[in-house]
Amino acid sequence: KAGVTQTPRYLIKTRGQQVTLSCSPISGHRSVSWYQQTPGQGLQFLFEYFSETQRNKGNFPGRFSGRQFSNSRSEMNVSTLELGDSALYLCASSALAGEYNEQFFGPGTRLTVL
Amino acid sequence: KQEVTQIPAALSVPEGENLVLNCSFTDSAIYNLQWFRQDPGKGLTSLLLIQSSQREQTSGRLNASLDKSSGRSTLYIAASQPGDSATYLCAVSSRPLGPRFKHSTLTFGKGTMLLVSP
Repeated sequence: KAGVTQTPRYLIKTRGQQVTLSCSPISGHRSVSWYQQTPGQGLQFLFEYFSETQRNKGNFPGRFSGRQFSNSRSEMNVSTLELGDSALYLCASSALAGEYNEQFFGPGTRLTVL
Repeated sequence: KQEVTQIPAALSVPEGENLVLNCSFTDSAIYNLQWFRQDPGKGLTSLLLIQSSQREQTSGRLNASLDKSSGRSTLYIAASQPGDSATYLCAVSSRPLGPRFKHSTLTFGKGTMLLVSP
């Protein structure tokens, strides 16, 4: 079974631009979560989607948004990019949403904002 | 607000040693705890998942324990090898961040960077 895939793997943008990252979960998984990883803050939860609905959200500004499609694929969007948005963005999927499910992570998208 | 701390931040050992990585969390009302491994520039690989009702889980040379009441977990690695060199992350699944939300949140520690020398 293929793992979680994320595209693109690397991205370079300039301040003020917007960016869209894509995540395809493991086949059959319906929950997708997004995380931001930086050297200073570590891994921080952005949001979770299940059945095309946002079920949980972390403490990030409204510039960070996401959506999930009927095939469970998910995208996250960051508008008006800032230098501090440079990070590794990780996507994780699990079979169901809820407390007891193991999460499986993709390789990440490395975003650099210049 | 759940906070997860991992000690030590970095660890360097010679090959063959047994070692223990520590993880502590502030809110004991967790659903589960997961240990991950991350190689430089890569995503996370799940190592072990311990449900809140369990005390430990084992996989090969790895053993993870959970003491929910004291807010602690340990990851024991037996007979370490150079291929074990990576950053090890502990994450706890706990209640949602706000009343609007129904699903749990995974909170990560900052990790322990392990180097095993041949």
